Amino acid sequence: DVKVTQSSRYLVKRTGEKVFLECVQDMDHENMFWYRQDPGLGLRLIYFSYDVKMKEKGDIPEGYSVSREKKERFSLILESASTNQTSMYLCASSLTGLYSNQPQHFGDGTRLSIL
Amino acid sequence: AQKVTQAQTEISVVEKEDVTLDCVYETRDTTYYLFWYKQPPSGELVFLIRRNSFDEQNEISGRYSWNFQKSTSSFNFTITASQVVDSAVYFCALSGGNSGYSTLTFGKGTMLLVSP
Repeated sequence: DVKVTQSSRYLVKRTGEKVFLECVQDMDHENMFWYRQDPGLGLRLIYFSYDVKMKEKGDIPEGYSVSREKKERFSLILESASTNQTSMYLCASSLTGLYSNQPQHFGDGTRLSIL
Repeated sequence: AQKVTQAQTEISVVEKEDVTLDCVYETRDTTYYLFWYKQPPSGELVFLIRRNSFDEQNEISGRYSWNFQKSTSSFNFTITASQVVDSAVYFCALSGGNSGYSTLTFGKGTMLLVSP
């Protein structure tokens, strides 16, 4: 079974802090994704990566950056956390397959609160 | 731009009732994929099914069935004889095949509450 592990289940940080959310997958997947989930808005894509050191902006990249130095690890960075970034963050991974769209497998999520 | 609409925000049923979750999508891609995910209270999204745009056959898996109708751009999900363990938020998602990237556009989800 695919395992996607997010480093923290719950996290509380202060406004202005630099925040790192870590995600590791154990199935050698090429693609990795970061989403945020908010009530009434569903899941929205922040950034994704289709290879090591590659990154692409999703629908809501403002205020975030990402890092993918190794294939299995994809980090989401809040450069200067703000209260409107309080949310549930979900990491996912999938096999590549141009035009084949393999299913994404998700981690348990990190519930981040910015005070 | 792609769009997925799940018009039902919340559905409440009593155990053993059948329930259908609606999903309507919009895309300009000629090749695309549709997915359903389940998110139980624990939070992790669980993949249920993937269907490509060329395969309009309905699918049944135990108590779950899916009805894909390209003519109405719908991909509806039916749970037969619902159980309390089916209580979750269900998301329909669309992936574009023409772009070359495996990104998903999610609907806003339907919360299903099954009571004993």
